[in-house]
Amino acid sequence: DSGVTQTPKHLITATGQRVTLRCSPRSGDLSVYWYQQSLDQGLQFLIQYYNGEERAKGNILERFSAQQFPDLHSELNLSSLELGDSALYFCASSPRTGRITGELFFGEGSRLTVL
Amino acid sequence: AQKVTQAQTEISVVEKEDVTLDCVYETRDTTYYLFWYKQPPSGELVFLIRRNSFDEQNEISGRYSWNFQKSTSSFNFTITASQVVDSAVYFCALSGDNYGQNFVFGPGTRLSVLP
Repeated sequence: DSGVTQTPKHLITATGQRVTLRCSPRSGDLSVYWYQQSLDQGLQFLIQYYNGEERAKGNILERFSAQQFPDLHSELNLSSLELGDSALYFCASSPRTGRITGELFFGEGSRLTVL
Repeated sequence: AQKVTQAQTEISVVEKEDVTLDCVYETRDTTYYLFWYKQPPSGELVFLIRRNSFDEQNEISGRYSWNFQKSTSSFNFTITASQVVDSAVYFCALSGDNYGQNFVFGPGTRLSVLP
């Protein structure tokens, strides 16, 4: 158990719909990362937050948005869903603060299926 | 931009064989961090090792060992006496020295260990 909690674990929805994925980082971790893993694909970095502020943005579609709340949990919002958005979405948190980069600890992922 | 290459898409070995997974990285940062993660069939991402750029000492942990060579920008991972439980996708990752930004993963190597 990494200590990172993601909900829901599985989600099935239809094209055009909107979903919200939630992540609770490890206790004390300030950094939260979101990654997308499509079938047989690698991990595509979407976005990073550090203590409530957006720190880095990757290949995140305009239909997607995220935020990190004062209690450090984060939400990834996916709207106008398309079939190609079906993927495993991972949240990760990092124990380091400041410039030094620590390892990422990943949640179990949220598997999104768009029909 | 930072980049990680794992040229081996898939590797199959027979149990008890040694296997080396290659990782080559590109970065302009003088300080950076390298990681290996394991993704077993169950899907979770398991952190294996973190190495910073100014520590080129090789590391051994049980049947796992890592060879970091700055001169060739490589961070290879060797499993000695492989076991069926080692079957997984292995990801190499790289991050710069900037609050964990640009934490990028390679495409992964799928290792199958046959009994």
